[in-house]
Amino acid sequence: GQSLEQPSEVTAVEGAIVQINCTYQTSGFYGLSWYQQHDGGAPTFLSYNALDGLEETGRFSSFLSRSDSYGYLLLQELQMKDSASYFCARKLIFGTGTRLQVFP
Amino acid sequence: GAVVSQHPSRVICKSGTSVKIECRSLDFQATTMFWYRQFPKQSLMLMATSNEGSKATYEQGVEKDKFLINHASLTLSTLTVTSAHPEDSSFYICSARGGSTEKLFFGSGTQLSVL
Repeated sequence: GQSLEQPSEVTAVEGAIVQINCTYQTSGFYGLSWYQQHDGGAPTFLSYNALDGLEETGRFSSFLSRSDSYGYLLLQELQMKDSASYFCARKLIFGTGTRLQVFP
Repeated sequence: GAVVSQHPSRVICKSGTSVKIECRSLDFQATTMFWYRQFPKQSLMLMATSNEGSKATYEQGVEKDKFLINHASLTLSTLTVTSAHPEDSSFYICSARGGSTEKLFFGSGTQLSVL
């Protein structure tokens, strides 16, 4: 089956910019989604890239390159409340997850 | 956005008992719902796809007799963990797609603890 690999943990300070990468093995033309999950909570949808390129939604942007089997989530102007786990997902399969810790 | 309700949020049971978890789509009809489980600090693992009016589709390695799924209406799917054991202790989350998009809406999850 497919697997989506992400860095396990990323740390940053408030106001900074962070990029969370997602690489996957299975080729194809499926899009890539991103979800945020706070401890003890349910995942919430952040963005979806149906096609290659950059999608911007407020402070969050997401990029996809299907030819490179690669995508990333870019979080700008980090806030403490952004501390959470972030998952990329392709079809119904979720990535390994990245725990983001934002420090003051 | 679409709302998915999941109940109960937490359950503690004795080993050998069965536990039923309900997942409802409140403001839309979901012909398909998805059940995930998540261990602490790990990713979400797709267990099965629940199809309204037909049998669920289970992922490889998931015991269908252990995790019974029923999707009797367009707004309700249930997951029953039968003869639960401590290793079944996990966070179970249901989800559904709202409309024709790829966006998944998740229930609030059920923390199952089997003693």
